[in-house]
Amino acid sequence: AQSVTQLDSQVPVFEEAPVELRCNYSSSVSVYLFWYVQYPNQGLQLLLKYLSGSTLVKGINGFEAEFNKSQTSFHLRKPSVHISDTAEYFCAVRATSGTYKYIFGTGTRLKVLA
Amino acid sequence: EPEVTQTPSHQVTQMGQEVILRCVPISNHLYFYWYRQILGQKVEFLVSFYNNEISEKSEIFDDQFSVERPDGSNFTLKIRSTKLEDSAMYFCASRAGTGINSPLHFGNGTRLTVT
Repeated sequence: AQSVTQLDSQVPVFEEAPVELRCNYSSSVSVYLFWYVQYPNQGLQLLLKYLSGSTLVKGINGFEAEFNKSQTSFHLRKPSVHISDTAEYFCAVRATSGTYKYIFGTGTRLKVLA
Repeated sequence: EPEVTQTPSHQVTQMGQEVILRCVPISNHLYFYWYRQILGQKVEFLVSFYNNEISEKSEIFDDQFSVERPDGSNFTLKIRSTKLEDSAMYFCASRAGTGINSPLHFGNGTRLTVT
């Protein structure tokens, strides 16, 4: 079974400052990793994903994430945030075989302050 | 861009009543999912559906829950006798195929309030 931990429930940050949203996972098998964003009153949208290869993946809206296998982490970063980045961010994993189920973390609410 | 659409956006029901949440997945997608999010908690997997049958389900998805694809376009989640703890945001999702490059597309959700 897999599990995902997002330790920060809320992260306030000033506009144009950098941000890192933390994600750690647990799994006995290989996994794919994802970050989803949920804007108010909307569904989840895929930001980026790690499948294989380079451990640094780039996504939409200037976000990137780094897969660290030894630390079982997949932290999301953005060098300079905008007010429009205010949203809920979810980390998710899916085993590479045997299931189509995505397991989500509890989410991190990013609040960008002017 | 094609979207997953869910109706209604908000449903209020009394405890013990049956509710049906409706979803129209993206038209060429083959895999369908229901997730739910209780306020302040994580997004939880309920069930996945492929080829007109359930492919996986979670412990949450007990006999009170059922899913159906009645007409080739809609994908419904039925809760037979709602409980207070069923109050949550329910998300439908679909994906085109089994390849990992086929991402999940989510609808905007139905907020279910059980009183």
